[in-house]
Amino acid sequence: DGGITQSPKYLFRKEGQNVTLSCEQNLNHDAMYWYRQDPGQGLRLIYYSQIVNDFQKGDIAEGYSVSREKKESFPLTVTSAQKNPTAFYLCASRGVASGNTIYFGEGSWLTVV
Amino acid sequence: DQQVKQNSPSLSVQEGRISILNCDYTNSMFDYFLWYKKYPAEGPTFLISISSIKDKNEDGRFTVFLNKSAKHLSLHIVPSQPGDSAVYFCAARIRSGNTPLVFGKGTRLSVIA
Repeated sequence: DGGITQSPKYLFRKEGQNVTLSCEQNLNHDAMYWYRQDPGQGLRLIYYSQIVNDFQKGDIAEGYSVSREKKESFPLTVTSAQKNPTAFYLCASRGVASGNTIYFGEGSWLTVV
Repeated sequence: DQQVKQNSPSLSVQEGRISILNCDYTNSMFDYFLWYKKYPAEGPTFLISISSIKDKNEDGRFTVFLNKSAKHLSLHIVPSQPGDSAVYFCAARIRSGNTPLVFGKGTRLSVIA
């Protein structure tokens, strides 16, 4: 099945640790995005990538890093510099065939313990 | 500064009646608008969209209206069903700039049986 796969679904991190959230898509989409959802805050853009080996900061990039070495993959690392990492993280992608619509994965819950 | 605003955090509607969710935007460059529906702990799913060259788009029970002069759009759901209970996000984009979607904070719709 075509789609966007995020893993893990649930992740616990100790303070001071870096963690990486995986996002893989087999839709042949060029653009990929990471959003964060907090209660009452909607969806806020962390990073996005329009093509392989290129990415741009979104509105809340501090404390996060990404890479785009392959078209299918856009992992997000939550570093220890991110002061409030507990949130629901959403990966999305968009391609020529999808036009203006972006499609989301199922999300990953990150909790700092 | 929030470019896409959903001023009603929540809305309750009786089953069978009309649900109207509102969205305002400030950036006059936005020329494509989308609505997403989100259940808890899941990724948002695309619902319906509208281009700025139209003022109405209909898909089954869902209709989106766009008033460019007022920078306002609304989503109508008729008739409302209990399964429509979810958070609805309004999003906007500048197509020519190939920019990411900008989301509102969402409105939680509760359809009461």
